[in-house]
Amino acid sequence: DAGVIQSPRHEVTEMGQEVTLRCKPISGHNSLFWYRQTMMRGLELLIYFNNNVPIDDSGMPEDRFSAKMPNASFSTLKIQPSEPRDSAVYFCASSRGLAGGVIYEQYFGPGTRLTVT
Amino acid sequence: AQSVAQPEDQVNVAEGNPLTVKCTYSVSGNPYLFWYVQYPNRGLQFLLKYITGDNLVKGSYGFEAEFNKSQTSFHLKKPSALVSDSALYFCAVRDDSNYQLIWGAGTKLIIKP
Repeated sequence: DAGVIQSPRHEVTEMGQEVTLRCKPISGHNSLFWYRQTMMRGLELLIYFNNNVPIDDSGMPEDRFSAKMPNASFSTLKIQPSEPRDSAVYFCASSRGLAGGVIYEQYFGPGTRLTVT
Repeated sequence: AQSVAQPEDQVNVAEGNPLTVKCTYSVSGNPYLFWYVQYPNRGLQFLLKYITGDNLVKGSYGFEAEFNKSQTSFHLKKPSALVSDSALYFCAVRDDSNYQLIWGAGTKLIIKP
């Protein structure tokens, strides 16, 4: 099992540039989550999808952030334009589902460390 | 409102001693509780979960956790700590009404040889 795959692992960019983070969930998982981790705020849920449909994006900090899931095996998180305060580690996680009476755990990718200068 | 508290920012234990990492929660419905571990520069790894049934749950790497409904707690335990257990530990909870996991702030566990 390949696990959740994220790319790039590290991203350094200048303020104002567009940043795109990518995620491939575990095959067969139909729920996908984007998180942000910082020392100040800890682990924050940004958005989650079920069957490729965004369910809750209330954690997305601003309109500069957007996320898509065009198919079951790929998702992107885009920041445009980026700002220094966006510097954080961004995690993608997937799980088998959100409903049906079965509670599944989430599996996390290795994260993308974003630095905006 | 749902919430999770990990009252200790850091726990220090000598190798070979038992360890406990504390977690208390607040939910409106039936609680579903999780423990994750994060090693430096890595993603979070699932350790164990409580959904229903036996209050003592066993997980990966020799860890276990005890669900206590009256005290609304889900403390993580291990009988004999290893230096390699040093990491950041997160407790999380959700209930029937919300798909979202609510995360604790994390507890840094340091095991000294």
